[in-house]
Amino acid sequence: QVELVQSGAEVKKPGSSVKVSCRASGVTFQNYAFTWVRQAPGQGLEWMGEIIPMFETTNYAPHFQGRVTIVADESTSSTFLELSSLTSEDTAVYYCASARPNPLVGAEFLQHWGQGTLVAVSS
Amino acid sequence: DIQMTQSPSSLSASVGDRVIITCRASQGISNYLAWYQQKPGKVPKLLIFAASTLQSGVPSRFSGSGSGTDFTLTISSLQPEDVATYYCQKYNSAPNTFGPGTKVDIK
Repeated sequence: QVELVQSGAEVKKPGSSVKVSCRASGVTFQNYAFTWVRQAPGQGLEWMGEIIPMFETTNYAPHFQGRVTIVADESTSSTFLELSSLTSEDTAVYYCASARPNPLVGAEFLQHWGQGTLVAVSS
Repeated sequence: DIQMTQSPSSLSASVGDRVIITCRASQGISNYLAWYQQKPGKVPKLLIFAASTLQSGVPSRFSGSGSGTDFTLTISSLQPEDVATYYCQKYNSAPNTFGPGTKVDIK
């Protein structure tokens, strides 16, 4: 049974950075892709980026390019999202999700989701 | 980048009604389209992938169709537990954008 467990809620100051972790269990880590999605209060789902360890590939949404970094650590079966230069507009719940890697398209549909991590940015 | 739109943005229907939600891609994405259900305060849940394949455990009243640029999610007989926001997502190539969502509630 696939389970994704994320780190706890964070409160950050504007201009700072945040790093959210997501640990996978019940999977062979290298055989999966991992995607990060966020949801601002009362808003829809926003795709941020993906990492596909098998293909040594990382892709980011243009909106976040230069401000977001996604890495994977196979030794701990974890993926990490780091977002810098935070503003109040980055206040959101951040989700990691697992997907099947596809050599043609990258990460496929999101089968399993973490519980979400609330990041609040406030002065 | 490919943009995803959904219509309607919200709808209200009676229990037992047939509900149809439309998702459109700004360019062709073959059948690389998934649908998710998000109930209030909950984590999104995968309903359908490859445009029309029902995820294991999802009730058969949910179905999906379409290919290319136009897709639909159909709930054949709306149930109270279907109150949720529904999102489509393309996954043919990054960025794998979501549609803006369709909020469904009971009349």
